[in-house]
Amino acid sequence: DVVMTQSPLSLPVTLGQPASISCRSSQSLVHSDGNTYLTWFQQRPGQSPRRLIYRVSDRDSGVPDRFSGSGSGTDFTLKISSVEAEDVGVYYCMQGPGGKKFGQGTKVEIK
Amino acid sequence: EMQLVQSGGGLVQPGGSLTLSCAASGFHFSGEWMSWVRQAPGKGLEWVANIKEDGSEKHYVDSVKGRFTISRDNARNSLSLQMNSLRAEDTAVYYCARDDYGGVSFDYRGQGSLVTVSS
Repeated sequence: DVVMTQSPLSLPVTLGQPASISCRSSQSLVHSDGNTYLTWFQQRPGQSPRRLIYRVSDRDSGVPDRFSGSGSGTDFTLKISSVEAEDVGVYYCMQGPGGKKFGQGTKVEIK
Repeated sequence: EMQLVQSGGGLVQPGGSLTLSCAASGFHFSGEWMSWVRQAPGKGLEWVANIKEDGSEKHYVDSVKGRFTISRDNARNSLSLQMNSLRAEDTAVYYCARDDYGGVSFDYRGQGSLVTVSS
């Protein structure tokens, strides 16, 4: 089974500064169809999860362009170019398709 | 715009049963795989199960195999999760989600369904 490992698990950030979250999979996420199905979610306190990024780097409609995804194979990164107060929450990576696995989550908070 | 309205949930004793439902709108339900995802109190997200467009293929996380059954009614744009032999560790908020781009997407306006397994 694929294991998704995020780091760090807690990320204190200063408003206006960049932030970066790593997600590593125990095996390559390159699918037989050539795509890599790595998804990023944001969950603000008290809210349902919201998808930010799919297929490694495709941003969902309405997601601010300060969020970006990158990576390949087993190593992936979510970057926030300039953290805003509304970005506080927990961020999860997830692998697919078929049976899916989430990472443990990274809690982003303001210093 | 996708909308997923959930019903069901509540308090159930260990060993009991419960069914969750999800009414979908705003997209071509019968053309999409669908999933259930759960989140135990204070914990992370866990994918639980998914079902193919026509219901012919289903996948489950190991911890619920043999106890939970995912199903769908495409005529009613409805997704269900039948949960039997419930355990305390099944206590969680359950979210209905659409499978797409190899992952899932949630209705961010939804609050999920809280299932509490306790005596």
